[in-house]
Amino acid sequence: DAKTTQPTSMDCAEGRAANLPCNHSTISGNEYVYWYRQIHSQGPQYIIHGLKNNETNEMASLIITEDRKSSTLILPHATLRDTAVYYCIVRVALRNTDKLIFGTGTRLQVFP
Amino acid sequence: GAVVSQHPSRVICKSGTSVKIECRSLDFQATTMFWYRQFPKQSLMLMATSNEGSKATYEQGVEKDKFLINHASLTLSTLTVTSAHPEDSSFYICSAPSDPRGDEQFFGPGTRLTVL
Repeated sequence: DAKTTQPTSMDCAEGRAANLPCNHSTISGNEYVYWYRQIHSQGPQYIIHGLKNNETNEMASLIITEDRKSSTLILPHATLRDTAVYYCIVRVALRNTDKLIFGTGTRLQVFP
Repeated sequence: GAVVSQHPSRVICKSGTSVKIECRSLDFQATTMFWYRQFPKQSLMLMATSNEGSKATYEQGVEKDKFLINHASLTLSTLTVTSAHPEDSSFYICSAPSDPRGDEQFFGPGTRLTVL
């Protein structure tokens, strides 16, 4: 699976949009971009995934560049409960029994 | 969404003892489960893939004789840390895909192991 690069940490004011970038320049054509987050001392939580089109669900939006070498996770109205480590992972979907390899992630701190 | 539970949530043991951690899929069946370890302020590190009815697949550098994995049913995988030592103290997390073609994996809440 392709390697991803994320900033170590970011801050965001409560109520503002949090934009978390991820670089995955070696992504293959059949690899999807997945985002998970981990709130302190809990198991990771799935957020969203996409292949090449932008995706939106109740938690977030995922914007993938046309060349698919980078993406941005957007939390439209960050709350204090969104403070967590966010992991961007690329992997082949439709083989969900494949393992997930976590990078270092981005530690998002939402402040009042 | 699907629920994965772990038991116990926290365990403290003496050095040299063995500790068993259970991972259960509560409302779905999982032929495959994954075990991760996470040290403070670090990312999750995959330890092994647990396969129902067959041997687990261990990642490079993980001692299979120390970390015994048993996936005896479609809803239960166990990780036994044998002869635990203080350096085994960590946060152990399991996950399971909701189904082989599912889009996401569901993670347990984790088990914090402290070896004295």
